[in-house]
Amino acid sequence: EPEVTQTPSHQVTQMGQEVILRCVPISNHLYFYWYRQILGQKVEFLVSFYNNEISEKSEIFDDQFSVERPDGSNFTLKIRSTKLEDSAMYFCASSAQSGVRPLHFGNGTRLTVT
Amino acid sequence: KQEVTQIPAALSVPEGENLVLNCSFTDSAIYNLQWFRQDPGKGLTSLLLIQSSQREQTSGRLNASLDKSSGRSTLYIAASQPGDSATYLCAQNTGTASKLTFGTGTRLQVTL
Repeated sequence: EPEVTQTPSHQVTQMGQEVILRCVPISNHLYFYWYRQILGQKVEFLVSFYNNEISEKSEIFDDQFSVERPDGSNFTLKIRSTKLEDSAMYFCASSAQSGVRPLHFGNGTRLTVT
Repeated sequence: KQEVTQIPAALSVPEGENLVLNCSFTDSAIYNLQWFRQDPGKGLTSLLLIQSSQREQTSGRLNASLDKSSGRSTLYIAASQPGDSATYLCAQNTGTASKLTFGTGTRLQVTL
């Protein structure tokens, strides 16, 4: 069965550094998402992306965050200047049809900011 | 603000038992509700999606119901197995953007 793949599985970075988290969504999906889960807390929505633009974003997704689909297969989340509170598990998801078909999640990237 | 609550927070049952996990949501403008399974250190696996026009969905030993009027959904697991041990999350979608609001999860352990 097709899967959403995320790399790396674990990223350690120093505060203030830029990080790029990478995702390869399921190939025929058109809608892409980033969610995050701080340890011990709920999974939270960050951003949705369709047709090469952001559809919706949460309050968490401020100017330090950006997303990009640089080619036909990859979907990236960039954090420009990481903060300690950005430490979390970041999940990429994709869907064949927004709001109708289920979201399929990757295994996540654990980001640790020191 | 949308709130999704799941009870119990943790549940331990012997193998073979039938069990029910509960999910409550405060926003009546629900578009659909999705149940996920999360294994430790892993991503979320989609189990069932119920559209707001539906009452229930079934997949194998899993059955999910949706009652919009009471703001509740249940996930019924029949004949539980040790492999069912995981955290189960429900997530409410209130629009077409698939901006899901997740519950805190129920951690299930099925013992031999």
